[in-house]
Amino acid sequence: SQTIHQWPATLVQPVGSPLSLECTVEGTSNPNLYWYRQAAGRGLQLLFYSVGIGQISSEVPQNLSASRPQDRQFILSSKKLLLSDSGFYLCAWGVAGEDTGELFFGEGSRLTVL
Amino acid sequence: GQNIDQPTEMTATEGAIVQINCTYQTSGFNGLFWYQQHAGEAPTFLSYNVLDGLEEKGRFSSFLSRSKGYSYLLLKELQMKDSASYLCAVMDSNYQLIWGAGTKLIIKP
Repeated sequence: SQTIHQWPATLVQPVGSPLSLECTVEGTSNPNLYWYRQAAGRGLQLLFYSVGIGQISSEVPQNLSASRPQDRQFILSSKKLLLSDSGFYLCAWGVAGEDTGELFFGEGSRLTVL
Repeated sequence: GQNIDQPTEMTATEGAIVQINCTYQTSGFNGLFWYQQHAGEAPTFLSYNVLDGLEEKGRFSSFLSRSKGYSYLLLKELQMKDSASYLCAVMDSNYQLIWGAGTKLIIKP
């Protein structure tokens, strides 16, 4: 069966510090991978998606970046965090080429920037 | 612009029925999804509608009217564990999901 895992689950970081969130998927090959951010009272905001190794599409210009060094690994990074980066970050995967759109989400990472 | 509207919060009684509405304006339509999200957890898939009509899955049903840009999620025989946020999402012409802000459902005994 397929699983998705992201970490860390919770982190508190000072403004200006770097960030690295990791996500791995098991039990599937060549998945579509996504990073979302969920702010309180707002819909899920798509940050990045990837259809393959090294292929990253950015939906929102910001100080975040993403990388996909391996087929089933997706990393969200920042060199210098802003207060506005606080939120609940969700990694998700979907079946490549399948347009039903069902996504499977990781456990989420709650980031607080102080 | 693209927009998904759903009520912010609803309250219902255990054992009752509740209907959560969702209206949308998007550039193209390739399906509508409902997800359930318990507080502090990740969303989980509930239903997918791409054709008009009602899809029933146990206690949960989802309805779609493409001409009206409207969907609802119907929850029957409510249980306390149904207390969660319910997210409506529409897949647009680029096969990207546009998400609503979610409806927080509070179940009272």
